[in-house]
Amino acid sequence: AQSVTQPDIHITVSEGASLELRCNYSYGATPYLFWYVQSPGQGLQLLLKYFSGDTLVQGIKGFEAEFKRSQSSFNLRKPSVHWSDAAEYFCAVGEYGQNFVFGPGTRLSVLP
Amino acid sequence: DGGITQSPKYLFRKEGQNVTLSCEQNLNHDAMYWYRQDPGQGLRLIYYSQIVNDFQKGDIAEGYSVSREKKESFPLTVTSAQKNPTAFYLCASSRQDGSYEQYFGPGTRLTVT
Repeated sequence: AQSVTQPDIHITVSEGASLELRCNYSYGATPYLFWYVQSPGQGLQLLLKYFSGDTLVQGIKGFEAEFKRSQSSFNLRKPSVHWSDAAEYFCAVGEYGQNFVFGPGTRLSVLP
Repeated sequence: DGGITQSPKYLFRKEGQNVTLSCEQNLNHDAMYWYRQDPGQGLRLIYYSQIVNDFQKGDIAEGYSVSREKKESFPLTVTSAQKNPTAFYLCASSRQDGSYEQYFGPGTRLTVT
């Protein structure tokens, strides 16, 4: 069965620092990979997605993610974090004919 | 603007009452989903529908019911059989299945006392 892990429950970074959020999945084939962001009390917003091709994908709000097949990872990165990036981040894995599997989420706090 | 609407944003009910949460989309998506989110937890799939007049149970369907009479609408009823109904409920839609991104509504926070 598919599974998604996000090893870090909570991460705190200083504003302006770089960020990397980890996502690992267990899956037999090449999955479709997604990162979502959720502000408190809001719905989820799609940051970026990977279907195929270039393993480094660019998303909105200055985020990028890199698919590494050998490590079964899809880590999210941002070179310089802004206070408005404080939120919950979810990694998700999809497959043709199947539903999404979401990771448990990583909560990001940003120090001024 | 295309998108997904959920209403109301906040909903309060007494224990023992059924309550229906609304979800409407104008994205012309075939698939729609209901998730439950509890504090500090991820998303758990309640029900999903990939076509009108058809739906399937997700991981935590007990105590919930849905209908899909129109492509645009996928209401969720939280019945009195649901033991712990207080939660944040999210509706989503996508073109088809897990090979397409899901778009989410703003959510409904249900409180049952």
